[in-house]
Amino acid sequence: EAGVAQSPRYKIIEKRQSVAFWCNPISGHATLYWYQQILGQGPKLLIQFQNNGVVDDSQLPKDRFSAERLKGVDSTLKIQPAKLEDSAVYLCASSSAGPYNEQFFGPGTRLTVL
Amino acid sequence: AQSVAQPEDQVNVAEGNPLTVKCTYSVSGNPYLFWYVQYPNRGLQFLLKYITGDNLVKGSYGFEAEFNKSQTSFHLKKPSALVSDSALYFCAVIGLSSNTGKLIFGQGTTLQVKP
Repeated sequence: EAGVAQSPRYKIIEKRQSVAFWCNPISGHATLYWYQQILGQGPKLLIQFQNNGVVDDSQLPKDRFSAERLKGVDSTLKIQPAKLEDSAVYLCASSSAGPYNEQFFGPGTRLTVL
Repeated sequence: AQSVAQPEDQVNVAEGNPLTVKCTYSVSGNPYLFWYVQYPNRGLQFLLKYITGDNLVKGSYGFEAEFNKSQTSFHLKKPSALVSDSALYFCAVIGLSSNTGKLIFGQGTTLQVKP
């Protein structure tokens, strides 16, 4: 089966600019996650969707980050405006319904904010 | 609060030797524990998980992990390391108090297997 797709793979922007990332999960997976992975650290959950509803966005910096999952399939994560500390790899993952199923990760988008 | 600790930033082992990557956790209640591996420029890949039952869990690529409740540990092991096992390994936990499946990851351990 096809894996989780993400684009772009790399993005370089100036601080205060905006950027958007796209994710296409594995077909049929109801749950979609966005993680932020800063160099040298483990991934940190930003937001979790169940179908097109938000389950957990407690660690999403809502003053600058937003995410949506239209029609319960693809998702986009946006940062506006970007800060230097947003430089990280943004990982998208999906899983079948149920909290204890393994998550399948995409290759990630490496964001560099200058 | 749930947390995971991986006490070693890097583990070095010779090819053919056994390997252990350590993980300890802190959760309220019984934990659900996972190991993921990350190869360069690739996303994380699931290796194995402990839900309940036998304390020794077998996973992908010959890896296994042993759940030890008294020591709150979930160490990853492999009897004979391969050079291709060199990668970044993450331990993660979901506490039973979480009904959303939110994974809490450790900071990762780099495994270096030398020929």
